[in-house]
Amino acid sequence: GNSVTQMEGPVTLSEEAFLTINCTYTATGYPSLFWYVQYPGEGLQLLLKATKADDKGSNKGFEATYRKETTSFHLEKGSVQVSDSAVYFCALSPSGNTGKLIFGQGTTLQVKP
Amino acid sequence: DAMVIQNPRYQVTQFGKPVTLSCSQTLNHNVMYWYQQKSSQAPKLLFHYYDKDFNNEADTPDNFQSRRPNTSFCFLDIRSPGLGDTAMYLCATSRDRRGRVSDTQYFGPGTRLTVL
Repeated sequence: GNSVTQMEGPVTLSEEAFLTINCTYTATGYPSLFWYVQYPGEGLQLLLKATKADDKGSNKGFEATYRKETTSFHLEKGSVQVSDSAVYFCALSPSGNTGKLIFGQGTTLQVKP
Repeated sequence: DAMVIQNPRYQVTQFGKPVTLSCSQTLNHNVMYWYQQKSSQAPKLLFHYYDKDFNNEADTPDNFQSRRPNTSFCFLDIRSPGLGDTAMYLCATSRDRRGRVSDTQYFGPGTRLTVL
């Protein structure tokens, strides 16, 4: 079946540190891959996406590359800010007309000044 | 700005007392979704509407129902809330393109439901 696995959190970093949040997936065919961010008390916001192998999604300094050979979509940012503190969800949408999103368990990022 | 709106943002209800959560959208998307997110967990899809067609997930309890009177609005009805239904409820939308459901979903801010 389809599933997403994220690294466990919380991840605690100092401001301006480099961020990596690992995400691997299991799926048949060619799913689309997403990172969503959830700030405290709010809904999910789409951060970036990639729809085919070797695509790189990027937004607000975050980026992730769709690696089919390693079934991964790791999120990276070169220099985090306190305002990046949130929960990050990796998700996949299976190929085909399913309309479903399958989420990983979420990784909490805490950035300290 | 085009957006997904949920009301109320916070709702407290008593055990067994029916409750309705509302979602509206100005994106003119034809697909609408309801998710349940319990504390520190990932969102879990309850059901979705593809236009007027209702699609229930196999493990969604019968206690959860939904209505979509028009393109813009969708409601989540919990007929007899239990303590275990305390959660954030998220509405999302997406647009079908040429017969293929768009896989980018846009979420509302959520309604935080507490069942006492």
